[in-house]
Amino acid sequence: GAVVSQHPSRVICKSGTSVKIECRSLDFQATTMFWYRQFPKQSLMLMATSNEGSKATYEQGVEKDKFLINHASLTLSTLTVTSAHPEDSSFYICSASRLATNTGELFFGEGSRLTVL
Amino acid sequence: KQEVTQIPAALSVPEGENLVLNCSFTDSAIYNLQWFRQDPGKGLTSLLLIQSSQREQTSGRLNASLDKSSGRSTLYIAASQPGDSATYLCAVTSARLTFGEGTQLTVNP
Repeated sequence: GAVVSQHPSRVICKSGTSVKIECRSLDFQATTMFWYRQFPKQSLMLMATSNEGSKATYEQGVEKDKFLINHASLTLSTLTVTSAHPEDSSFYICSASRLATNTGELFFGEGSRLTVL
Repeated sequence: KQEVTQIPAALSVPEGENLVLNCSFTDSAIYNLQWFRQDPGKGLTSLLLIQSSQREQTSGRLNASLDKSSGRSTLYIAASQPGDSATYLCAVTSARLTFGEGTQLTVNP
């Protein structure tokens, strides 16, 4: 199956700093990637849809200036949490839809756990 | 607005038992439905994808069915094993992707 890689898997940072999380599709091209946030014992919440070469589409209530998304190539999207605060601590997961098959099947990364002190 | 509900929220069974996880959705105008598995602290692993035109998909011991008219999908796991213990999520793609809250499955040896 298709592989999506996230890096880093865990990151601890001080309040006020910025953290960048990478999402790569390793063996396929993805025009669209999605970023989710998951709180403990809850399901995933879609944060934004990332399209290659264009601005991301953010869900209602998600601050675009706080969660910067860049999708510079067909295999890489990045999420930068700017001026992180403890309430930003969460599990962030990305997913990608394979361009070639267009089945709508989504492949997910392993997730990145962010802890803001 | 699409709403996805999974029942039960948690399930504990002895090894070897066959079991069914349920997923219901309110808007039947869907493109596809996908079942995922999530292990603690990990990302999602895709198990089965059912397109809106299909009624079921099978992979090994897993069988997923889809009844669009009633807004339901089931995930059947045959001969459950301790390694099947995880949270199972269903996700429906209509105007957007909507996840259920998941069913936490524990298979006891």
